[in-house]
Amino acid sequence: AQSVAQPEDQVNVAEGNPLTVKCTYSVSGNPYLFWYVQYPNRGLQFLLKYITGDNLVKGSYGFEAEFNKSQTSFHLKKPSALVSDSALYFCAVRESYGNNRLAFGKGNQVVVIP
Amino acid sequence: EAGVTQFPSHSVIEKGQTVTLRCDPISGHDNLYWYRRVMGKEIKFLLHFVKESKQDESGMPNNRFLAERTGGTYSTLKVQPAELEDSGVYFCASSQRPRLGESTDTQYFGPGTRLTVL
Repeated sequence: AQSVAQPEDQVNVAEGNPLTVKCTYSVSGNPYLFWYVQYPNRGLQFLLKYITGDNLVKGSYGFEAEFNKSQTSFHLKKPSALVSDSALYFCAVRESYGNNRLAFGKGNQVVVIP
Repeated sequence: EAGVTQFPSHSVIEKGQTVTLRCDPISGHDNLYWYRRVMGKEIKFLLHFVKESKQDESGMPNNRFLAERTGGTYSTLKVQPAELEDSGVYFCASSQRPRLGESTDTQYFGPGTRLTVL
């Protein structure tokens, strides 16, 4: 069965500094990987996904993520954090065959300090 | 294009009562999913519709939960009778079938329904 680990509950970063949100995954085959963001009182918004091809994936709002197969990781990054990036971030994985269901991590609260 | 909508946004009921949650997917999306997040834990898959058919209901916790998608448009999730452990946020997501050459769909989520069972 597929699973995701997001090891940190909260990530604090100063505005303008680089932001990294960590994610590791476990699947039995090839992974499809996703990042979603949830702003207060809103639903989950899709940020980006990795299916195949380039290990560096670019997404919305200046975010990118790097797929590392040997480390089974898919960390989310942004070169310069904004206060408006403060939100809850979820990593998700599904297997490349079979069912479509996503397995999510617990989420990381990101706090960008002005 | 309107996103996924869910109703109600909040529901507070007493143990033993019945609650029905509704999800309207993005127009034209054949796939509809229900997920649930119990406070502080992971978002967990409940079930997946393709049009009106249940493709995968392996995540449904027990037979107190009943999901329907009559006509392949909106979906309802009924909890009867509700128990304390059913409290959480229920998310609905929808997606198109992957286009030719694409290997997977992207699921777009609604704002969720926060259910509190007292």
